[in-house]
Amino acid sequence: GAGVSQSPSNKVTEKGKDVELRCDPISGHTALYWYRQSLGQGLEFLIYFQGNSAPDKSGLPSDRFSAERTGGSVSTLTIQRTQQEDSAVYLCASSSTRVGEQYFGPGTRLTVT
Amino acid sequence: SQQGEEDPQALSIQEGENATMNCSYKTSINNLQWYRQNSGRGLVHLILIRSNEREKHSGRLRVTLDTSKKSSSLLITASRAADTASYFCATDNLNEKLTFGTGTRLTIIP
Repeated sequence: GAGVSQSPSNKVTEKGKDVELRCDPISGHTALYWYRQSLGQGLEFLIYFQGNSAPDKSGLPSDRFSAERTGGSVSTLTIQRTQQEDSAVYLCASSSTRVGEQYFGPGTRLTVT
Repeated sequence: SQQGEEDPQALSIQEGENATMNCSYKTSINNLQWYRQNSGRGLVHLILIRSNEREKHSGRLRVTLDTSKKSSSLLITASRAADTASYFCATDNLNEKLTFGTGTRLTIIP
């Protein structure tokens, strides 16, 4: 079946603009994660959705970052008033179990100029 | 802070040789996973080892886990050019999230 998809694959935006990144998880996966990866670095956890539970937002770096997951499926990560330090690859992953194997999308490369 | 730290940060070996990467972590875990990442994009799950397991095999991959030392190793035998990638360990430290290490960049020289 289809894997995790993300759009857009690349996004260039001007400093101060808002951006929306989309993630379509694997159908039926209840867990959805967002990560950020700066060049040559590891993955930084941002937010976690599990079923209908309240999301774990503990990794969001500032209140400019927010995410929602509609109908337990598609998720959107929104960054308001983007800054140059927001430039990174944003990765989405989904899983059918709690902290089991995660399936990653190809990521969105965000460049803030 | 990083839960997992991989060692070495970079490794270059000749094709056909074995590659060993290590991961150390700080807190108790339910499981430890290894992932591969090509070209800085999506990660691919390789193997999961539970805290009550000591060794696991999958094809040319062998993973060990020593919970007393809070460390794991990933061995890739008979390396191939296609194994060139970054490898990350990730730990489930009992809070329903995975914490990823900083990765080992592996280069296989043909």
